[in-house]
Amino acid sequence: NAGVTQTPKFQVLKTGQSMTLQCAQDMNHNSMYWYRQDPGMGLRLIYYSASEGTTDKGEVPNGYNVSRLNKREFSLRLESAAPSQTSVYFCASSEYEAPYEQYFGPGTRLTVT
Amino acid sequence: EDQVTQSPEALRLQEGESSSLNCSYTVSGLRGLFWYRQDPGKGPEFLFTLYSAGEEKEKERLKATLTKKESFLHITAPKPEDSATYLCAVLGSNSGYALNFGKGTSLLVTP
Repeated sequence: NAGVTQTPKFQVLKTGQSMTLQCAQDMNHNSMYWYRQDPGMGLRLIYYSASEGTTDKGEVPNGYNVSRLNKREFSLRLESAAPSQTSVYFCASSEYEAPYEQYFGPGTRLTVT
Repeated sequence: EDQVTQSPEALRLQEGESSSLNCSYTVSGLRGLFWYRQDPGKGPEFLFTLYSAGEEKEKERLKATLTKKESFLHITAPKPEDSATYLCAVLGSNSGYALNFGKGTSLLVTP
């Protein structure tokens, strides 16, 4: 039982390049989330998927797109990376009913130069 | 708008020196208050969920309590392995599925 897994662990991009961050969970959770964590800013929600087939914007969605591929997988795409997207990205999953607690993956550290 | 403020930003304790971390919050209709532990370079690890004022939960040296305005994470006789950043988050009735996180308290426990 791996929980939430993310790939890659590290990535360096040049401005304007694109990439997709992958996330998978094996806890049979309905809901999945993408956060970014920046020094002094805390964790901020980018996009979430309450259930398979639905996606919604969070607090900071600009510059990102997501795909809920199936119940297990939720990907985050940067179409044209910018230095402001340098951050650590975390995927999480939960049930969409109580107890609501979210379980996080190990993160992807992204640097955009 | 939901708000979460954690204090102090950083705390240094000697091994065995008990203390408390504070999480003050404002939220419309609390559905849950969550505590997480985050080690450097890793994802947040779930610790506790509290749902209503007066509720308490314990795990080893940690005890979380909740009032209508704040939550405390009490650390009793801490050990160096308790060193981490502790994050507090709330889920309000108007928040959908979005947890609102505080900025965390960085705890260092020295031998």
